[in-house]
Amino acid sequence: ELVLTQSPATLSLSPGARATLSCRASQSVSNYFAWYQQKPGQAPRLLIYDASKRATDIPARFSGSGSGTDFTLTISSLEPEDFAVYYCHHGQTFGQGTRVEIK
Amino acid sequence: QITLKESGPTLVKPTETLTLTCTLSGFSLSTRGVGVGWVRQPPGKALEWLGVIYWDDDKRYRSSLKSRLTITKDTSKNQVVVTMTNMDPVDTATYFCAHVLSGSQGKFDFWGQGTLVTVSS
Repeated sequence: ELVLTQSPATLSLSPGARATLSCRASQSVSNYFAWYQQKPGQAPRLLIYDASKRATDIPARFSGSGSGTDFTLTISSLEPEDFAVYYCHHGQTFGQGTRVEIK
Repeated sequence: QITLKESGPTLVKPTETLTLTCTLSGFSLSTRGVGVGWVRQPPGKALEWLGVIYWDDDKRYRSSLKSRLTITKDTSKNQVVVTMTNMDPVDTATYFCAHVLSGSQGKFDFWGQGTLVTVSS
C-alpha cells in the first residue's frame, strides 16, 4: 500500500517568505499527483494536479514539481491567506499534511 | 457552477449503518468521464480517501474499508449515496463528497462543505 510522507510537519515562516513543502512516496508513482490547501472549518481546495499544473484560479505563486517518489509544492512568497494545512494526494492515498504557520 | 452538498445523520450508534447522500448541482453523473468521490477527516487529523464512483458505474474503494463501503448513484435525482456498515467510534469524522477533475485520475476539484458524523452510543 502506498504511503505518502510529508515534511516538515510544521513550517513556521513569515509573510513574504518562500515555502517549500515535500511529499515522498513509498514507491515510484505516476505524475497524477496533487496538492490541496485546507483552512480550518473548510473543505480542501485543489491547488496543483498532474504534479505541476495549477488548478483553476490558483495564483502563480503556487507551483508543483517532482516525479517518481519525490514531489514538492513551492509557495514563492507567502501571503497572509496562505497559512493553512497542505496535503499531497495520489490515487487512494493522502499525506498526513504540513501546517504552514505564521512565525 | 458545480456544487455538492452532503446530507445525512450527525449521530449514529456503534454497529449501525451510516448512509450519506451527496446532492450534485451544475453537472451530471450521466455525463461521460464524470466522477464523484468520498473523503473523510477525523477531528484534527488528515484526509482519508474512501472511494469514487464514475459515470459508467465503475467504482473504486479504499482497500481497508472495502467490505464495509458501498457507493451508488441515482442519476435521476443527481445524487451519490455512500453507505458504511458496522460503524465504530473511530469512524467519527467529517465526510466530504467531491467532484473528480476530468482526466485527472481521481483528483478532486470541487468539494462539498462536509458533514460531521459522530459515532457514539
